Amino acid sequence: DAGVIQSPRHEVTEMGQEVTLRCKPISGHDYLFWYRQTMMRGLELLIYFNNNVPIDDSGMPEDRFSAKMPNASFSTLKIQPSEPRDSAVYFCASSPWDTTDTQYFGPGTRLTVL
Amino acid sequence: AQSVTQLDSQVPVFEEAPVELRCNYSSSVSVYLFWYVQYPNQGLQLLLKYLSGSTLVKGINGFEAEFNKSQTSFHLRKPSVHISDTAEYFCAVSDKGTSGGYQKVTFGTGTKLQVIP
Repeated sequence: DAGVIQSPRHEVTEMGQEVTLRCKPISGHDYLFWYRQTMMRGLELLIYFNNNVPIDDSGMPEDRFSAKMPNASFSTLKIQPSEPRDSAVYFCASSPWDTTDTQYFGPGTRLTVL
Repeated sequence: AQSVTQLDSQVPVFEEAPVELRCNYSSSVSVYLFWYVQYPNQGLQLLLKYLSGSTLVKGINGFEAEFNKSQTSFHLRKPSVHISDTAEYFCAVSDKGTSGGYQKVTFGTGTKLQVIP
């Protein structure tokens, strides 16, 4: 099993640019989660999907952030326009419907906004 | 609302010595408890979890944790650590819920375990 796949692993961009982070969950998993990890705030849940439908986006910090899941094997997190305070590691995780308490994390995308 | 407190941000320990990483939680309902480990430049991996039953839970890599309801704690222990255990450890909690489906998982701020040769 390939596990959760995220791309890119590292992203450096300039303030004001659009950033798109990508995630491929584990096949057969019904839930997909996007997290942000920073030194100051720790690990924060941004949004999660169930069967490709966004269920709770209350953790999305601003309207500059958006997430989509067009099909069961792909999701994106977009930041437009990006700001230096968005610099963080962004994780995608997935879980099966019957054990949502156990999440499988991807390796993360380290985003640096200059 | 639930919360998790990991009092120690960093714990240095010599190789082959025992270690305990502390975790306290608060919740108004019954909970599930977890420990995740994050190795450098990797995502989090589940180390162990408590759902019900025996309060002593054994996980991977020789780690174990004990659920103490009266003290609202879920401390992680290992009798003898290795260099390869150097990582960041996160305690997490979720409500048991009654209707199935996803229950929000709240993560602690993490404890960095530094194993010294």
